[in-house]
Amino acid sequence: QSVLTQPPSVSGAPGQRVTISCTGSSSNIGAGYDVHWYQQLPGTAPKLLIYGNSNRPSGVPDRFSGSKSGTSASLAITGLQAEDEADYYCQSYDSSLSSQVFGGGTKLTVL
Amino acid sequence: QVQLQESGPGLVKPSGTLSLTCAVSGGSISSSNWWSWVRQPPGKGLEWIGEIYHSGSTNYNPSLKSRVTISVDKSKNQFSLKLSSVTAADTAVYYCARVKKDYYYMDVWGKGTTVTVSS
Repeated sequence: QSVLTQPPSVSGAPGQRVTISCTGSSSNIGAGYDVHWYQQLPGTAPKLLIYGNSNRPSGVPDRFSGSKSGTSASLAITGLQAEDEADYYCQSYDSSLSSQVFGGGTKLTVL
Repeated sequence: QVQLQESGPGLVKPSGTLSLTCAVSGGSISSSNWWSWVRQPPGKGLEWIGEIYHSGSTNYNPSLKSRVTISVDKSKNQFSLKLSSVTAADTAVYYCARVKKDYYYMDVWGKGTTVTVSS
C-alpha cells in the first residue's frame, strides 16, 4: 500500500487530454515536498518526465505538464499519442517514514 | 552524458546476500549528486532502497535498513548495493539512478538488472 495514491489505470483516445492524480497527506505532498513524475514504457527503465512539481526536463514535450495543490499533485497529458501508452509514477518524500516514496503507478491506455 | 550500468548475479539463494554494482560513465561519481538504488518486483511498482553521496553518507528506506548496505568506490567510479537475508520477496528488477538534490529527483537511470531469489 503506497502512501501516494494513484489510480491504477486511465485511458483516452488519441488527441484527447488525460490527467493522472497523486494523492498524499500532510507528511509528504501536503508538507511541501516536491512531486516528480516518471514514465515507464513497457520493458524499460523509468524516465524523468516532470520534476519539482511542474518543471519539464529538456526533451520532454510540452504536452506533458504537472501541478500540485494541497496534498495532491496531477500529471496532465494533452494531444494523447499512441506512444504515450506507459506506466506513470509520482514520487515525493515522506517525513513520517523518513523515506522517498513512489505512488503505486498508473497504467495509461491509448484507445 | 552520464550513463549508468548495473551488474551482478542474476540468481541469489534464499538467506543469501544480493550484491550489485552500478558503474558510472560520462561523469564523476564525486560530482554534487547523490546516487540511488530503486527496485521493481515483477508486475509491481517502484520502491526506493536508498542512496549514497561520494563522501560515504547514506540514507536508507527504513523498511529495508536492517538488511541494506550501499557503498561507493571513487577509484572505480561506481557504487554498490548489498541486501542480506534475501527471500523470494526480494526478486525484482534493480535500478541505479542519479539523484539531483536541488529538488530530489532521479534524472538518469540505468537499464536495470533482474535478480531472482531462488534455490
